[in-house]
Amino acid sequence: KQEVTQIPAALSVPEGENLVLNCSFTDSAIYNLQWFRQDPGKGLTSLLLIQSSQREQTSGRLNASLDKSSGRSTLYIAASQPGDSATYLCAPGGQFYFGTGTSLTVIP
Amino acid sequence: NAGVTQTPKFRVLKTGQSMTLLCAQDMNHEYMYWYRQDPGMGLRLIHYSVGEGTTAKGEVPDGYNVSRLKKQNFLLGLESAAPSQTSVYFCASSSLKRGQETQYFGPGTRLLVL
Repeated sequence: KQEVTQIPAALSVPEGENLVLNCSFTDSAIYNLQWFRQDPGKGLTSLLLIQSSQREQTSGRLNASLDKSSGRSTLYIAASQPGDSATYLCAPGGQFYFGTGTSLTVIP
Repeated sequence: NAGVTQTPKFRVLKTGQSMTLLCAQDMNHEYMYWYRQDPGMGLRLIHYSVGEGTTAKGEVPDGYNVSRLKKQNFLLGLESAAPSQTSVYFCASSSLKRGQETQYFGPGTRLLVL
């Protein structure tokens, strides 16, 4: 069974700061990894999908990297904004196992 | 495009009652999934389907049944609800095409079993 860990569980930063969210997983036999965002009381929204052949993927202020061999992925958020406040989840393999997420609060 | 929709949004059941949660997607996706989300446990896969007429068990299938009679619909049934099934249920769908496996989620159904 894939074990997924996200550290930290919660993070609070001032607006404008750059930050990194971490995801580690035990089974490296994956062909992709997804990062999602979840707002309170809402469903999940996909942010980035990284194929196993890629090392990173970028969308606007977001950059996700994948190191399959070490079982790690990071989500980098540049110039954070209050609207980035949400819970961020990673899913190695894309659909079967999810981390418990990092709850991010960006303080104006 | 409505994306993924779920019915109902909220439901209260008594122990032993049955109900069906409906998920519908209009993106012609092959894959559909049912998850439950509990505090501190994250999302856990209940059942999934790789196409019309097919279903498979996920990580926590006990107490649930599913059916996919039409490609666009995926039904989750609780035959005899238990308080342990109090949760938020999410449906999702994705394409079979490599490189387009992004999952799209519904808004969720909050279920309370008394």
